[in-house]
Amino acid sequence: NAGVMQNPRHLVRRRGQEARLRCSPMKGHSHVYWYRQLPEEGLKFMVYLQKENIIDESGMPKERFSAEFPKEGPSILRIQQVVRGDSAAYFCASSRRAEPYEQYFGPGTRLTVT
Amino acid sequence: TQLLEQSPQFLSIQEGENLTVYCNSSSVFSSLQWYRQEPGEGPVLLVTVVTGGEVKKLKRLTFQFGDARKDSSLHITAAQPGDTGLYLCAGGPSGTYKYIFGTGTRLKVLA
Repeated sequence: NAGVMQNPRHLVRRRGQEARLRCSPMKGHSHVYWYRQLPEEGLKFMVYLQKENIIDESGMPKERFSAEFPKEGPSILRIQQVVRGDSAAYFCASSRRAEPYEQYFGPGTRLTVT
Repeated sequence: TQLLEQSPQFLSIQEGENLTVYCNSSSVFSSLQWYRQEPGEGPVLLVTVVTGGEVKKLKRLTFQFGDARKDSSLHITAAQPGDTGLYLCAGGPSGTYKYIFGTGTRLKVLA
């Protein structure tokens, strides 16, 4: 009964490199959400995806950030040309239904940009 | 902007004491969830409340959803050091699938 899986748990990148964060939702869940949590701050919504579709990316920065949830495989959050301000914990959540109802979270990926 | 405000922001109490955490909004929510997050981990779902006036109990934790579905409370009886953590309320405003998180309450229970 695996929960939401995220990898890697910790990721260190130098400024200008690319970061790829992976998320495998819970079994039976086809809705995936990405959140960012800055130190001592709350969780901020970034993007909501269903299989092969981006439903809402209103919380995602317009540049350098992209997300996908292919038909096969995990959801990917991609950050190009990382900057120090991208350092944060990135959490993925999944839900069974297309409502804001019972999202289950993964353990997060802690990105550090040096 | 729809917000979920939590109070208090920080709480430090002795083992055995009772406490209540509040989550308030000016918006109506179709459902509201409470999570606990420990350092270095993701939020763990504690409970979901859906119906106005609903009360749910989880061992020593009692959750209540306001009649108007705009606010909620979490009451812990006889707190234990294992209850230490960041408590977050979250919910989906009516008519949208977007999740909003509260500002969080950091609880520390001293032995």
